Amino acid sequence: GAVVSQHPSWVICKSGTSVKIECRSLDFQATTMFWYRQFPKQSLMLMATSNEGSKATYEQGVEKDKFLINHASLTLSTLTVTSAHPEDSSFYICSAIRQVDQPQHFGDGTRLSIL
Amino acid sequence: AQKITQTQPGMFVQEKEAVTLDCTYDTSDPSYGLFWYKQPSSGEMIFLIYQGSYDQQNATEGRYSLNFQKARKSANLVISASQLGDSAMYFCAMRGTTSGTYKYIFGTGTRLKVLA
Repeated sequence: GAVVSQHPSWVICKSGTSVKIECRSLDFQATTMFWYRQFPKQSLMLMATSNEGSKATYEQGVEKDKFLINHASLTLSTLTVTSAHPEDSSFYICSAIRQVDQPQHFGDGTRLSIL
Repeated sequence: AQKITQTQPGMFVQEKEAVTLDCTYDTSDPSYGLFWYKQPSSGEMIFLIYQGSYDQQNATEGRYSLNFQKARKSANLVISASQLGDSAMYFCAMRGTTSGTYKYIFGTGTRLKVLA
């Protein structure tokens, strides 16, 4: 089955630090990857859609300069939370799809805690 | 505008019984996809089942089946023979298009608790 690896699974760091989260599709080439944020006991909120070799499409209200997304290859997308602050603490989860009419396959998520 | 609605914030079901989780959607796209995902307390999102808008038959995957009623715009998930391991958050999701771009939107989720 399709496997998506997300790393790290847990990050605790000081305010002002930049944090990079990696999302890899291990056994397929992903045409598109997605980045979501999830607050406790809430649904997934789409942050951005990422296609290989092009700029990410950010959802309204998501700061592009704050959440940098790089999609360097068909199997790797990264999300960098720049100068993270406590309000950025959340659960971030990525997903990837082979093609449009197929389900998203999710990474295991990253719990980010900013002190 | 596209929308997914899950009206049941929480559900209880007795072990070995069947349970239906409701999902309604709204879209003007002629072609769309509907998905159900399971999220255990550990946080990972597990794909369960998919229904395409043009599929004639309801999707089934093991103990999961999707009761797709297109005219009513509903895509309820039915879990048969519930197991304790089914206790989790369940999200209904839809793939549609917005300004020519594919979008996936999620409902607010239903927390299912299976009782022994």
